[in-house]
Amino acid sequence: DAGVTQSPTHLIKTRGQHVTLRCSPISGHKSVSWYQQVLGQGPQFIFQYYEKEERGRGNFPDRFSARQFPNYSSELNVNALLLGDSALYLCASSQDRRGEQYFGPGTRLTVT
Amino acid sequence: AQKVTQAQTEISVVEKEDVTLDCVYETRDTTYYLFWYKQPPSGELVFLIRRNSFDEQNEISGRYSWNFQKSTSSFNFTITASQVVDSAVYFCALSEVNSGGSNYKLTFGKGTLLTVNP
Repeated sequence: DAGVTQSPTHLIKTRGQHVTLRCSPISGHKSVSWYQQVLGQGPQFIFQYYEKEERGRGNFPDRFSARQFPNYSSELNVNALLLGDSALYLCASSQDRRGEQYFGPGTRLTVT
Repeated sequence: AQKVTQAQTEISVVEKEDVTLDCVYETRDTTYYLFWYKQPPSGELVFLIRRNSFDEQNEISGRYSWNFQKSTSSFNFTITASQVVDSAVYFCALSEVNSGGSNYKLTFGKGTLLTVNP
């Protein structure tokens, strides 16, 4: 079975621009979570979506938003990019809100 | 607030040595889950284990074993007879279970970089 997939793999943006990252969960998984991993640190929780509704939000500014589609795939949007947004963005899926979270390969975002 | 501490930033061993990665956690909840993930250079986090707070039995899976001690708030991970392929960053994580039964938010430690030399 295919694992969690994310696109694009790498992305370079300029300060002030907007970016959209995409995630497809494992087949049958209904929950998607997003994490930001800055170099040398552990991942930080951004959002969880379950059944197309936001179920949890981490300590991130309103520039970060997300949504989940009827097929359970998800998008993470970041507006007005800052240099500090440069990180590996990880998507994780789980069968439901209680299941183990399985991570995708991530999208590496560089803001210049 | 939840917190996970992995005091060992980097560990270097020679192949076939045993190595233990330490994890200490803080939480005010009585119901929670503990996890270990492996992150190879490719970047993808690989799920290794999940334990709930009511199950303090140690677990062994091949060369991997985990020691959960509630009394010391520790969840340590041991690799026996390490191999070069074990080289990676290892993360310990904690999630609390809210009233709805969800464990959506993982709180990670800063990770331990394990290098296994041939």
